[in-house]
Amino acid sequence: EAGVAQSPRYKIIEKRQSVAFWCNPISGHATLYWYQQILGQGPKLLIQFQNNGVVDDSQLPKDRFSAERLKGVDSTLKIQPAKLEDSAVYLCASSRGRTSGGSTDTQYFGPGTRLTVL
Amino acid sequence: KNEVEQSPQNLTAQEGEFITINCSYSVGISALHWLQQHPGGGIVSLFMLSSGKKKHGRLIATINIQEKHSSLHITASHPRDSAVYICAALRPVGQFYFGTGTSLTVIP
Repeated sequence: EAGVAQSPRYKIIEKRQSVAFWCNPISGHATLYWYQQILGQGPKLLIQFQNNGVVDDSQLPKDRFSAERLKGVDSTLKIQPAKLEDSAVYLCASSRGRTSGGSTDTQYFGPGTRLTVL
Repeated sequence: KNEVEQSPQNLTAQEGEFITINCSYSVGISALHWLQQHPGGGIVSLFMLSSGKKKHGRLIATINIQEKHSSLHITASHPRDSAVYICAALRPVGQFYFGTGTSLTVIP
């Protein structure tokens, strides 16, 4: 099966500009995640969608970041306006969704979008 | 062949057992991360290693750069350790390569 697709792979912008990232999850996966991974640190969950609803966006800086998954399939993450500290790799992941019996739900990651803010 | 290989894929242990999860990688890296994913949840970064060994509570992570191998150990395992553990190799250019994960279940 095709994996998680993300675009663009690389983006360079100046501070105060806007940028948008796109993610297409694995077909049939109900849950979609956006992570921010700053160089030298582990990934940080920004937002989690279940179909087109938000499950967790507690760590999303809502003054400048927004994300949507209107039809419950692909998703966009936007930063407006960007700051220098937003330079990071933005990872999208998807999973089938909650499973019965409490078993784990493996996430599959896309290749990431590397953002550099100058 | 994946750039990052983990073993085992699935692991079931009795509470109290010592657990080892292995990760081998074939690319040059600047660091290696061990991540933990609980059911239905996001991912938590446990360790970032570039050499040697790190310890946090009952968790120990080691890396051998020459052999391109890392291990995650859990001492005195507990049911709350049940999760998926993911090894992620960080390339110098900033790109991650993720292992497929090890699903751990600890039975009381």
